[in-house]
Amino acid sequence: GAGVSQSPSNKVTEKGKDVELRCDPISGHTALYWYRQSLGQGLEFLIYFQGNSAPDKSGLPSDRFSAERTGGSVSTLTIQRTQQEDSAVYLCASSRLREYNEQFFGPGTRLTVL
Amino acid sequence: QQQVKQSPQSLIVQKGGIPIINCAYENTAFDYFPWYQQFPGKGPALLIAIRPDVSEKKEGRFTISFNKSAKQFSLHIMDSQPGDSATYFCAAKHDSNYQLIWGAGTKLIIKP
Repeated sequence: GAGVSQSPSNKVTEKGKDVELRCDPISGHTALYWYRQSLGQGLEFLIYFQGNSAPDKSGLPSDRFSAERTGGSVSTLTIQRTQQEDSAVYLCASSRLREYNEQFFGPGTRLTVL
Repeated sequence: QQQVKQSPQSLIVQKGGIPIINCAYENTAFDYFPWYQQFPGKGPALLIAIRPDVSEKKEGRFTISFNKSAKQFSLHIMDSQPGDSATYFCAAKHDSNYQLIWGAGTKLIIKP
């Protein structure tokens, strides 16, 4: 009965470096979401994977951001050439695509770009 | 039309009081309205949810009131406790897909 896990829990990087954030969804959940949450702010949608369909990338803020989901399970969010404004908590959620779609969130990865 | 507007941004209530958080929407195609609770350092977790064919739903000390004609819904916390201090997000789901549209969140502090 493991929940959504994310790694690393904290990441400190220098401006201009690339980072990869990992999400392990709950087994059997076909939908996976990435959100960004800046300090004290709401949830900013980034990207949504549903089964084998093409992902909804409409929330990605720039082409420096990309994500993939391998084998319908683990997902990696990659941020290239990080900027200080990328500093935030990155949250992953997964859900079964049942009628009312409860999303189960991981604990997040806190990214700090120096 | 896709927005969910949440207020207030922050709220401080004495223990035992009844904090009320409000959300409003425009899109009549929304068919599911959940509230999520987020503690510091954690991801949000589903607290309670309602469908538009119901005007009120209670789960323990938490109640959602839903006004379909006004396109508003609110969360009430009865007999609030310091442990209820958290950020609360309302959301809405469109009937054509599974994505949630999120409110901006309310930081609630319950003073002992």
